Amino acid sequence: IQMTQSPSSLSASVGDRVTITCRASQGIRDDLVWYQSKPGKAPKRLIYDASSLESGVPSRFSGSGSVTEFTLTISSLQPEDFATYFCLQHNGYPYTFGQGTKLEIK
Amino acid sequence: QVQLQESGPGLVKPSETLSLTCTVSGGSFSRHYWTWIRQPPGKGLEWIGYITDGDRTNYNPSLQSRVTFSFTTSKNQFSLELSSVTAADTGVYYCARERGYSGYEAGLFDFWGPGMMVTVSS
Repeated sequence: IQMTQSPSSLSASVGDRVTITCRASQGIRDDLVWYQSKPGKAPKRLIYDASSLESGVPSRFSGSGSVTEFTLTISSLQPEDFATYFCLQHNGYPYTFGQGTKLEIK
Repeated sequence: QVQLQESGPGLVKPSETLSLTCTVSGGSFSRHYWTWIRQPPGKGLEWIGYITDGDRTNYNPSLQSRVTFSFTTSKNQFSLELSSVTAADTGVYYCARERGYSGYEAGLFDFWGPGMMVTVSS
C-alpha cells in the first residue's frame, strides 16, 4: 500500500489553519495514524483511527477521512507546532509511511 | 521509562552486511512488536519489520531476502542484519517499540531510539 502525502513542505504563520493530506493506493478503512516529529525527539502520535485524538494532544489538531483519503488539520498554528508530520497506515503489512510534511514558519 | 538505543558501525562497505543492535532498558519485551524503521536521506520513513520476544518476525517484502532480526533477551537487545548492502541502504536506522498489534495499540510506536546514521560506501 503506497501512501502519498502532500504537501512535502508548507510555510505558514502562527494562527493559520493548515491541512495535510495522505492518500492511500488502496482502501485502508480508518487504519491510519498521524505523527509529529521534532529534531532530537521521538515522533509523537497525534491521531489514531484516522480521526481520534490522542490523550493530551491539543484540540486544534484533528484528523478526518477514511478508505483512501485522509487529512490532518491544525486549526490555529502555534509556535510549537512547527515540525514534520507524517502519516502511517497499519491496515496491512508492510506498514507504509507518507513522505512527511515539513511545516515551517513563514 | 523505556529507552532504546541503536549501536553498530556507521560505515559499511558495499556488498557487506550491515549489523545494528538495539538495547532496551526499563521495560518488558513481552506483548510488544520490536521494530526497525529507516529513513534514506531526503526520503520518507520505511518500515523494515518487527520481531517479538517469541522470535516471531515480519519483514518488509522489499527487504525480506536480505534482512534478519534476532533477539537476545538476556542482554535486553534485538538486532538487525542486512546483507549485500548498496548505497540505497544508506540512511538513519531507528529501532522502536510498537505497543501492540490491534486496536488502539496498532501503529503506536511509543518509544524510539535516537536513530543511527549508516553510510554504505567504499
